[in-house]
Amino acid sequence: KAGVTQTPRYLIKTRGQQVTLSCSPISGHRSVSWYQQTPGQGLQFLFEYFSETQRNKGNFPGRFSGRQFSNSRSEMNVSTLELGDSALYLCASSTVRDLNTGELFFGEGSRLTVL
Amino acid sequence: AQSVAQPEDQVNVAEGNPLTVKCTYSVSGNPYLFWYVQYPNRGLQFLLKYITGDNLVKGSYGFEAEFNKSQTSFHLKKPSALVSDSALYFCAERDAGGNNRLAFGKGNQVVVIP
Repeated sequence: KAGVTQTPRYLIKTRGQQVTLSCSPISGHRSVSWYQQTPGQGLQFLFEYFSETQRNKGNFPGRFSGRQFSNSRSEMNVSTLELGDSALYLCASSTVRDLNTGELFFGEGSRLTVL
Repeated sequence: AQSVAQPEDQVNVAEGNPLTVKCTYSVSGNPYLFWYVQYPNRGLQFLLKYITGDNLVKGSYGFEAEFNKSQTSFHLKKPSALVSDSALYFCAERDAGGNNRLAFGKGNQVVVIP
């Protein structure tokens, strides 16, 4: 069974640009969550989608957005990039049952560098 | 505010010795607690969780964790550390607000010395 797939794995952008990251969950998983990981702030929750609906949102500015498609694949977008957006962006998927008990299955992440 | 504390930045242990990574939580009531491990340039891997039941939880790769409600702790343990256990370990609790998102501690770097 394939794991959570995130693309691209690495990317470099400049300030002011926008970026779209993609996440394909494990087959059968309908929940997708996104986390930002930085050395200073650690792991911070961005948002969670279930059946194409955003169910939870973390404390991030409106420049951060996401969506989920009918096949459960998810994308997140960051507009007007800032230097502080440089981070590892992790996607995690879960079944409905696992979601209630918190077991998440993580992808390897997309490492974004903003210059 | 909800928080998970991992008080040590780095844990150094000799190969073959017991390994302990400390975690304290803040969720009142019945917490859902988790440990994840992250190897370099990789995502997080689930190790174990406490939902209810026995206070000693056994997980992957020989790890276990002990839930202690009176001390609000959930320390991760392994009786005999391997060099391959060197990684970043995260403790997490489920959001107290009824959301299904996890709040992570800052992580502990474990270094197992051959």
